[in-house]
Amino acid sequence: QKEVEQNSGPLSVPEGAIASLNCTYSDRGSQSFFWYRQYSGKSPELIMSIYSNGDKEDGRFTAQLNKASQYVSLLIRDSQPSDSATYLCAVNEDGNQFYFGTGTSLTVIP
Amino acid sequence: KAGVTQTPRYLIKTRGQQVTLSCSPISGHRSVSWYQQTPGQGLQFLFEYFSETQRNKGNFPGRFSGRQFSNSRSEMNVSTLELGDSALYLCASSLDRGHREQYFGPGTRLTVT
Repeated sequence: QKEVEQNSGPLSVPEGAIASLNCTYSDRGSQSFFWYRQYSGKSPELIMSIYSNGDKEDGRFTAQLNKASQYVSLLIRDSQPSDSATYLCAVNEDGNQFYFGTGTSLTVIP
Repeated sequence: KAGVTQTPRYLIKTRGQQVTLSCSPISGHRSVSWYQQTPGQGLQFLFEYFSETQRNKGNFPGRFSGRQFSNSRSEMNVSTLELGDSALYLCASSLDRGHREQYFGPGTRLTVT
């Protein structure tokens, strides 16, 4: 069984701080990595995708991938109360199904 | 461009009944995947369809089935409903099997009583 592990939290950070979310995965064949944000009562929203080792930045979000360590992370800079949500990590080996973590609940305190 | 649409949004059924859920992918997207989301199990993969063919299947009983039409719209069916089938059913579409970014619809909230 391929696994994607996330710390369920809750993770609380003050407004303006950096939130760091982590994810590890078991399948070394995984090639694509994604972060989704899910507000309570809503469906997941894709916020970042990363395919190569290193960092990928998009606005206040930075995804980091280390395939050797089977580790992917998401940094949220200048955290805002509107960032309060559950963040889901997903991994995929091309041509096969996605595997999702159970999510990390983030609360940004004003 | 319109997003993924799912109908109905809410559904209440009784045990033993069957249900059909519908998903229309983003225009031009040809791959559709279905997921079940519950508080205890998180997002669980049901199946993926591409070009009207099931390409991947998750670990769910045969009561769960699906299909895809030539216009890429997809349906999933659950027969002989059980209380444990109460969940949010999510559909996600992607451009094709080589483009792995998936976009989710709003989901169908199914309650089985």
